[in-house]
Amino acid sequence: AQSVTQLDSHVSVSEGTPVLLRCNYSSSYSPSLFWYVQHPNKGLQLLLKYTSAATLVKGINGFEAEFKKSETSFHLTKPSAHMSDAAEYFCVVSDWPGGFKTIFGAGTRLFVKA
Amino acid sequence: GAVVSQHPSWVICKSGTSVKIECRSLDFQATTMFWYRQFPKQSLMLMATSNEGSKATYEQGVEKDKFLINHASLTLSTLTVTSAHPEDSSFYICSALQREGVGDTQYFGPGTRLTVL
Repeated sequence: AQSVTQLDSHVSVSEGTPVLLRCNYSSSYSPSLFWYVQHPNKGLQLLLKYTSAATLVKGINGFEAEFKKSETSFHLTKPSAHMSDAAEYFCVVSDWPGGFKTIFGAGTRLFVKA
Repeated sequence: GAVVSQHPSWVICKSGTSVKIECRSLDFQATTMFWYRQFPKQSLMLMATSNEGSKATYEQGVEKDKFLINHASLTLSTLTVTSAHPEDSSFYICSALQREGVGDTQYFGPGTRLTVL
């Protein structure tokens, strides 16, 4: 069965410092993994995705994530936080066991302090 | 990147009336679209999967007769909340599935804020 666990409900960093948002997953198949960002009262914007190609995935706005199969993790990182990064981040797992299926993580709220 | 629009972005209606929300994929065709509901400070809850030219598949606990879904074309799905009540007030988000060979991807609309008085 699929599951997604975002290990932190809230993360607070100072502007200019690194960001780490943690995500662990489980899947019986070869899943695709995604990170989306949601600003208040907005839809979800795709940051990056992993689809069994390179394990280090680069996304928009300086974000990247590394797929580690042995650790079943897909953590999101950014070297230097910007105030505009403050938002909700969702880790998502999708696969096709008999039909497209998506599981969302509970979300991590990122706060960026000046 | 792929763009999905929703209309309206917000709507206020009286209890007992019906509200229609449109979801459009602007630069790609989507045989599959999804409708989600999001409560404050929570993750997205899948309501139904909308398939072009066929009936939608509803998640357990979602009333089919209350949340009518129509996917009449490859770029448009609609969600109609019938006989709306205050408890239906929520943020509704749609997504469209883009088939990309390796790793199909959902692209999300900006959401619709529904307030039922």
